[in-house]
Amino acid sequence: AQSVTQPDIHITVSEGASLELRCNYSYGATPYLFWYVQSPGQGLQLLLKYFSGDTLVQGIKGFEAEFKRSQSSFNLRKPSVHWSDAAEYFCAVGPYNNNDMRFGAGTRLTVKP
Amino acid sequence: DAMVIQNPRYQVTQFGKPVTLSCSQTLNHNVMYWYQQKSSQAPKLLFHYYDKDFNNEADTPDNFQSRRPNTSFCFLDIRSPGLGDAAMYLCATSSGLSSTDTQYFGPGTRLTVL
Repeated sequence: AQSVTQPDIHITVSEGASLELRCNYSYGATPYLFWYVQSPGQGLQLLLKYFSGDTLVQGIKGFEAEFKRSQSSFNLRKPSVHWSDAAEYFCAVGPYNNNDMRFGAGTRLTVKP
Repeated sequence: DAMVIQNPRYQVTQFGKPVTLSCSQTLNHNVMYWYQQKSSQAPKLLFHYYDKDFNNEADTPDNFQSRRPNTSFCFLDIRSPGLGDAAMYLCATSSGLSSTDTQYFGPGTRLTVL
């Protein structure tokens, strides 16, 4: 069965600084990979997803993620963080079916002025 | 604009007192999901409906039931809530079951059990 690890529970960055959130997965086949963001009091919103093709994926809000099969990683990056990016970020991995998707425990991002 | 609506946003119930959480969608999606998210944990899928077909996750307790009277609405019934059921409950929808079909989440209902 697939699993997801987000090693960082909480990250603090200064506004304008670059950001990288780590995600490692375990899955026996080619995974479907996702990053979701959850702002306080809101539901999860899809930032980006990877199914196949170019391993560098562009998402909404200026985020990107890179799939590295050799490292079983799908790290999320943003070159310059805005205060509004403060939220909880979830990585998820799945096979073909949505109902088999597994989420990581999340990384909480705090943005300092 | 709201596409997946959950009511109420906050629910307080007493130990053992049945409670129902509501989800509605304006997307006309075939699939509706219920997730449980405990504090600082990943969302965990409880069950999903594909149209009227109900699919329970193997480890979902019998205490949790669901109803989907029509395409737009789906309910989560907790028959006898325990303290361990306090969590955020997230509803999501998708047009299909493929991972290529994006899941759209509601804002969640935070359940407190006294």
